[in-house]
Amino acid sequence: GQQVMQIPQYQHVQEGEDFTTYCNSSTTLSNIQWYKQRPGGHPVFLIQLVKSGEVKKQKRLTFQFGEAKKNSSLHITATQTTDVGTYFCAGTEPSGTYKYIFGTGTRLKVLA
Amino acid sequence: EPEVTQTPSHQVTQMGQEVILRCVPISNHLYFYWYRQILGQKVEFLVSFYNNEISEKSEIFDDQFSVERPDGSNFTLKIRSTKLEDSAMYFCASSFPRKTLYFGPGTRLTVT
Repeated sequence: GQQVMQIPQYQHVQEGEDFTTYCNSSTTLSNIQWYKQRPGGHPVFLIQLVKSGEVKKQKRLTFQFGEAKKNSSLHITATQTTDVGTYFCAGTEPSGTYKYIFGTGTRLKVLA
Repeated sequence: EPEVTQTPSHQVTQMGQEVILRCVPISNHLYFYWYRQILGQKVEFLVSFYNNEISEKSEIFDDQFSVERPDGSNFTLKIRSTKLEDSAMYFCASSFPRKTLYFGPGTRLTVT
């Protein structure tokens, strides 16, 4: 079945440093979504990417969808302590399915 | 802003007992989901529900699990005979097709 892996599993950064998490799917995706889960919280939607090679920005966050629609990345510029949490990508296959398979997640800690 | 609600927030049960987890999805959404997350691990897809029937289910969703939308607003997950390994956070989510998943706050299930 479809598998979605993320690297790294954990990342500790000093406040102000940049952070990137990479998401790789075993199969081609129809679209990909990114979610943030604060400690003790539930996943909260950040963004959806649909087109091959698409790049979207939200303030300090930059999201990219690979040309082959099998990988994606999330880059945070100048991290802040409010960025702490686990970042998950979630993808769905083009085969008419509506289920989203979540990646393994990257847990980000920001040291002040 | 509309939100998904879940009850109870925490459920403790003995092994072999039946539990019912309840969710109220966002009212005009069409797809309903149950995901679970074992502590510190990834968000795992269990089942999706559309048009009053199961749309897709994972290997985890065996005969011990069932879902229902009994009254047009509630969406329930029943586990017939709980096992220790069912201990996890269970998240309900709702969405329009291939759009943002809106997650509820979760029910923490502890099986002793």
